[in-house]
Amino acid sequence: AQKITQTQPGMFVQEKEAVTLDCTYDTSDPSYGLFWYKQPSSGEMIFLIYQGSYDQQNATEGRYSLNFQKARKSANLVISASQLGDSAMYFCAMREGFNDYKLSFGAGTTVTVRA
Amino acid sequence: GAVVSQHPSRVICKSGTSVKIECRSLDFQATTMFWYRQFPKQSLMLMATSNEGSKATYEQGVEKDKFLINHASLTLSTLTVTSAHPEDSSFYICSATGTGDRRTYEQYFGPGTRLTVT
Repeated sequence: AQKITQTQPGMFVQEKEAVTLDCTYDTSDPSYGLFWYKQPSSGEMIFLIYQGSYDQQNATEGRYSLNFQKARKSANLVISASQLGDSAMYFCAMREGFNDYKLSFGAGTTVTVRA
Repeated sequence: GAVVSQHPSRVICKSGTSVKIECRSLDFQATTMFWYRQFPKQSLMLMATSNEGSKATYEQGVEKDKFLINHASLTLSTLTVTSAHPEDSSFYICSATGTGDRRTYEQYFGPGTRLTVT
């Protein structure tokens, strides 16, 4: 079974608008961490935001916020006020437990911001 | 933040030759490094996990004799693609952990190496 599911292969968003990228996860471990990464065409993986399973509040980092719904096992990324430079592939990833750093990645969502 | 470098960024080699990719943690000691492979418009596929001073742990389906990983020091891991063939052409990304953030256990990614085998 897929541990991380991203159901949106590609999305278009108008500049200055908000966009929500979906991510659902599957784990039986009560301790886990959820990450979002941005990968522009250059290929580098850029860390955006982190949510721990025990965190009480939704994580926010500037224009990025994570809508964490634990009961639904979803961790959607919201990008507010989209910019042309936000055009990239976005990956949701999960680390299970605290014994190792291994990540499970979703298939990714390509975001294209239109002027 | 923690910085990870990879060298080379791009490499073209002939079929049958071997190519080595280096991954370095520049400002921290990396106790664990990961090697990923990524095909165009696809997700990252974990190939192996390497811990300093011990043998790498390969994921199912990854040929350990084909993809040799050496994590000889706390700042350097190498991936050698032996007897490369065109189907080995891909984007290879390393990541490293070991810095002090025990809250997130974040992996720090290198910029990637694009391998083309002709």
